[in-house]
Amino acid sequence: DVKVTQSSRYLVKRTGEKVFLECVQDMDHENMFWYRQDPGLGLRLIYFSYDVKMKEKGDIPEGYSVSREKKERFSLILESASTNQTSMYLCASSLGQGRLNTEAFFGQGTRLTVV
Amino acid sequence: RKEVEQDPGPFNVPEGATVAFNCTYSNSASQSFFWYRQDCRKEPKLLMSVYSSGNEDGRFTAQLNRASQYISLLIRDSKLSDSATYLCVVLRGLTGGFKTIFGAGTRLFVKA
Repeated sequence: DVKVTQSSRYLVKRTGEKVFLECVQDMDHENMFWYRQDPGLGLRLIYFSYDVKMKEKGDIPEGYSVSREKKERFSLILESASTNQTSMYLCASSLGQGRLNTEAFFGQGTRLTVV
Repeated sequence: RKEVEQDPGPFNVPEGATVAFNCTYSNSASQSFFWYRQDCRKEPKLLMSVYSSGNEDGRFTAQLNRASQYISLLIRDSKLSDSATYLCVVLRGLTGGFKTIFGAGTRLFVKA
């Protein structure tokens, strides 16, 4: 079975802190994604990556950056956490660079609270 | 306007009922379509792909109408365990890759 693991289920951070969210997948997937999920807004794409060292902005990249130094790991960085970044963060991976019919597998999510 | 729109619900139905959800998408270049299911406090998981000719998986039937740009999900003989949020997902090709767009989800409650 594909496994996508996020480093933390719950995080509480202070405003202005630099926050790292880690995601690891064990199925050699090319594609990896970071979403945030908020009530009434659904999943919104922050950043995605089709390959190592490659990254593309999603719909809401402001205030975030990413790093993909190894194929299995995709990190989301909040440069200076703000209260409006309190949310559920979901990492996902899928097979096949450029393929359009592959299933996305999600991690269990990290609920981040910024105080 | 959102690129993928769903009625948020909630849909409250009794066990055994048939319930249908629609999802509309605005970009005619959209190429692949899926329904995902998300249980409370859990991650989304693929329920089924949606094929042009329509497809069925047990009690679940998915259909695509490209002319009107919507997809649908029909659940027959609803079970308590069907209670969840159903997410419509659309993939659209981009130069060098593709974009995945999620709807905000439709909540379903099935009651005894």
